Amino acid sequence: QVQLQESGPGLVKPSQTLSLTCTVSGGSISSGGYYWSWIRQHPGKGLEWIGYIYYSGSTYYNPSLKSRVTISVDTSKNQFSLKLSSVTAADTAVYYCARAGSTTMTFDYWGQGTLVTVSS
Amino acid sequence: NFMLTQPHSVSESPGKTVTISCTRSSGSIASNYVQWYQQRPGSAPTTVIYEDNQRPSGVPDRFSGSIDSSSNSASLTISGLKTEDEADYYCQSYDSSIHVVFGGGTKLTVL
Repeated sequence: QVQLQESGPGLVKPSQTLSLTCTVSGGSISSGGYYWSWIRQHPGKGLEWIGYIYYSGSTYYNPSLKSRVTISVDTSKNQFSLKLSSVTAADTAVYYCARAGSTTMTFDYWGQGTLVTVSS
Repeated sequence: NFMLTQPHSVSESPGKTVTISCTRSSGSIASNYVQWYQQRPGSAPTTVIYEDNQRPSGVPDRFSGSIDSSSNSASLTISGLKTEDEADYYCQSYDSSIHVVFGGGTKLTVL
């Protein structure tokens, strides 16, 4: 059973960079066939796709966030990470990491989510 | 890019059938698979339909999905409604550049 777990600071100051890591267990990022993804949900709102990375390092980002987002992968640690720069209060959200099949584009496994608050 | 539009909320009585629509703003709904997710408060979403009309193991056959090219929309139908079906439901698809799009979500109330 694949499991994903987000980790990182729950509070980030405005203008700083939000950094989160997703640790994958029960499956190898290096095995291919999946896009390793970040999705966020503003309080009381819907889901917003941030972007994803393939094990090879290829990345795909939401055009609305692309200028501020970097997703990277560390296959040796079976982890992938999100960096979101120049954050504002509008970036306060629950951040999920998830796995999407490369043929179906279905998000079949999700982390539990982590709330990140942007505040001074 | 395109948008997926869902009704903000729907409600129905236990035992009845409800259908939630998801309309694609541009491009054909049939071009890329549509998925549906259920999200209960405080939990991560889970898949109830993938590839337009496929059910993951463990999802009751009361859940079904379809697409309609004439209205350029996808639908999630839940029959024999149970109180446990009360949740938010999101449709999701992607474009030719494999950029993901989520619908705005529909709150289902079973009353």
